[in-house]
Amino acid sequence: DTAVSQTPKYLVTQMGNDKSIKCEQNLGHDTMYWYKQDSKKFLKIMFSYNNKELIINETVPNRFSPKSPDKAHLNLHINSLELGDSAVYFCASSRMGGPSTEAFFGQGTRLTVV
Amino acid sequence: AQSVAQPEDQVNVAEGNPLTVKCTYSVSGNPYLFWYVQYPNRGLQFLLKYITGDNLVKGSYGFEAEFNKSQTSFHLKKPSALVSDSALYFCAVKPEGAGSYQLTFGKGTKLSVIP
Repeated sequence: DTAVSQTPKYLVTQMGNDKSIKCEQNLGHDTMYWYKQDSKKFLKIMFSYNNKELIINETVPNRFSPKSPDKAHLNLHINSLELGDSAVYFCASSRMGGPSTEAFFGQGTRLTVV
Repeated sequence: AQSVAQPEDQVNVAEGNPLTVKCTYSVSGNPYLFWYVQYPNRGLQFLLKYITGDNLVKGSYGFEAEFNKSQTSFHLKKPSALVSDSALYFCAVKPEGAGSYQLTFGKGTKLSVIP
């Protein structure tokens, strides 16, 4: 069973469109994240969310928004897509119980904006 | 602000030889340190972590890492490299007591193991 799963794996879309990436975890974790990996493989945290708190990286444009229908899901919505949004987006999850808990990552969604 | 440096973009090693992937960090207070591996077209997989205690940490797939507080380093090592170890390796750090949101990654080191 896949612990953290994302769909779709690949997404090609035109500039200006709105798209969503779905993420589900079956680990019983209470905190989920979205990361962006650029073309140079650099990883940047975008959001952290549990049922109590949403933490937003202030550098993330407000065209990006996380939506969590329940503890096991954290979807990423992107409005008015731009060329610079092309990247690989990773969902991750971890337990909140203690700062040392490691994060588990999904396989990533490669977004290409044309 | 914390940071992680992985000084080598790429490391090449012959199969069967020992490998080292370097990582140095900067953080306020005590660090929590992690290594992740990313295989092509895959997500990151957790390898090992240092929280406290023994400076030598053993992890998955025969990897280990040594925490050196005076040198602020956390180098990843393996005694005998396999071709299947070829991947992208990320070091990460967060301050003691911080949540995972504050996990900062290095830029990654590509390891190529040559048959």
